[in-house]
Amino acid sequence: SQTIHQWPATLVQPVGSPLSLECTVEGTSNPNLYWYRQAAGRGLQLLFYSVGIGQISSEVPQNLSASRPQDRQFILSSKKLLLSDSGFYLCAWSGSVEQFFGPGTRLTVL
Amino acid sequence: QKEVEQDPGPLSVPEGAIVSLNCTYSNSAFQYFMWYRQYSRKGPELLMYTYSSGNKEDGRFTAQVDKSSKYISLFIRDSQPSDSATYLCAMSDSGGGADGLTFGKGTHLIIQP
Repeated sequence: SQTIHQWPATLVQPVGSPLSLECTVEGTSNPNLYWYRQAAGRGLQLLFYSVGIGQISSEVPQNLSASRPQDRQFILSSKKLLLSDSGFYLCAWSGSVEQFFGPGTRLTVL
Repeated sequence: QKEVEQDPGPLSVPEGAIVSLNCTYSNSAFQYFMWYRQYSRKGPELLMYTYSSGNKEDGRFTAQVDKSSKYISLFIRDSQPSDSATYLCAMSDSGGGADGLTFGKGTHLIIQP
């Protein structure tokens, strides 16, 4: 069966510091991978998606970037965090239509 | 007009009641419809997936899609306190899923014991 992991689970970072969130998927190959941000009262916002290694599409121009160095690894990064980057970050994978989410990373930028 | 509308709630019902959760949408190209359940501080969990119009049943859960009205519903029978969560509808016009899903903002459901 397929599983998806995210770490860290929680993170508190100062404004201006760098960020690296990691997502890995097990039990499937060549999945589509997604990064979402969920802010209170604002629903799920798609940030990036990837259909293969090194292929990244950005949905919203912002302070974040994504990379896919391996088939089942997806990384979300920032060089300098902003207060507005706080939120719940979710990674998801898809083999066809349905998407399956990881446990999420709660990021607080102070 | 927002692409997917969902009443945020909270919706509070007594245990054992039938719950009806709904979403409306504006994009007639949507043809894949999903319902997710999200417990506090957890990732969303896929509950139901339907394609095009019609009904789909899974245990106590029934998903209904009316494409002519651009309206989808999730019914929960014999509701339990463990059903208390936020329910998100999601939809897509792309069978391959490469472009992601369009989500409603979620309805917070509370089942009172």
